[in-house]
Amino acid sequence: GAVVSQHPSWVICKSGTSVKIECRSLDFQATTMFWYRQFPKQSLMLMATSNEGSKATYEQGVEKDKFLINHASLTLSTLTVTSAHPEDSSFYICSARDPIFPETNEKLFFGSGTQLSVL
Amino acid sequence: DAKTTQPPSMDCAEGRAANLPCNHSTISGNEYVYWYRQIHSQGPQYIIHGLKNNETNEMASLIITEDRKSSTLILPHATLRDTAVYYCIVDNDYKLSFGAGTTVTVRA
Repeated sequence: GAVVSQHPSWVICKSGTSVKIECRSLDFQATTMFWYRQFPKQSLMLMATSNEGSKATYEQGVEKDKFLINHASLTLSTLTVTSAHPEDSSFYICSARDPIFPETNEKLFFGSGTQLSVL
Repeated sequence: DAKTTQPPSMDCAEGRAANLPCNHSTISGNEYVYWYRQIHSQGPQYIIHGLKNNETNEMASLIITEDRKSSTLILPHATLRDTAVYYCIVDNDYKLSFGAGTTVTVRA
């Protein structure tokens, strides 16, 4: 199946700094990508929908100025956690929409996730 | 609003079949049933999906009741590597909403 690459897999940063997470579709063009956040022992929570060439759509309660999303190309979406604080420490996961579903089996391809720890 | 209900946890013996139930009584006609699993500290992995017919692939089988209000994921021969959180998702959109899932522990 198609592959979504997420980088970095883990990052440690100081409080107040910004961290950028990349999500790339390796062998297909992803017009839509999604960003999830997962706290320990909890389920994935959708944060935002990233659309190539337009502004991201954020879920209720997610601060768009805090979590900047850029989807400048058909294969790359980035999530920047600005002025990170310890409560932003979490597992961040991206996914990309399969453009030819339902001809294929997988609707969404997920990245391997990024563990962010803010000190 | 949770569209699916799953037991929080279950144990399974290695080599035996694991049957994971999911209730989705409010499913609408055009909504698919998807199953994903998440091994600790990894991204979710697609397992299988179906609309109304039973489905089988190399990983699992999906049995959907005739009224589509519930389904069962069957792992035919569970291995230790199948230990994970299994999510049953009902959706017709690309914004898959994950519930709490079932934590499956396969024991030797």
